[in-house]
Amino acid sequence: QQQVKQSPQSLIVQKGGISIINCAYENTAFDYFPWYQQFPGKGPALLIAIRPDVSEKKEGRFTISFNKSAKQFSLHIMDSQPGDSATYFCAASNGDQAGTALIFGKGTTLSVSS
Amino acid sequence: SAVISQKPSRDICQRGTSLTIQCQVDSQVTMMFWYRQQPGQSLTLIATANQGSEATYESGFVIDKFPISRPNLTFSTLTVSNMSPEDSSIYLCSVARSTEAFFGQGTRLTVV
Repeated sequence: QQQVKQSPQSLIVQKGGISIINCAYENTAFDYFPWYQQFPGKGPALLIAIRPDVSEKKEGRFTISFNKSAKQFSLHIMDSQPGDSATYFCAASNGDQAGTALIFGKGTTLSVSS
Repeated sequence: SAVISQKPSRDICQRGTSLTIQCQVDSQVTMMFWYRQQPGQSLTLIATANQGSEATYESGFVIDKFPISRPNLTFSTLTVSNMSPEDSSIYLCSVARSTEAFFGQGTRLTVV
């Protein structure tokens, strides 16, 4: 049973536009929600992460919005650039246990057209 | 952060053979994780490897097919045994520092 549902599967955005990727989780024990960016031929790289004690976290052009009651979180990429074209994965874990393995969403392939 | 080196980066193997993937971390870590990423798919956890104990496998993965070694706190290997074309995937090593997970660049395996 998939515990983290991610949408959309693919996304095409114009340069300068806003990219939005959504995730929903089921397990209320999850308390750590990272987003990973993966380029072809590379391993996933941590982009930004949030814990449920805050509703939003911003790092540069990347923002996570978190809705604990709805069990949803989303990634917003402002001023999207062609270099942002990659696959994005949301994930979740019970962060209280150091080293707990992550449960990943199915991924979103983002293409930013120039 | 963590620097993770995986070898080989890619390989093409004949069905029925085995391949051992190595993962080296730049500093000591308690847990190492092995993931599989099938073409166009997400990452699925294969097993968790603790130093000095048997690896813990996730549902659908067994030790006979994916034996894991963890001889010390900076190194682990994953063997893909008796390979079939269905094993063609990217295999990724991961470590955790606090709650952040870091990944190697992966091993792209093609079984023919």
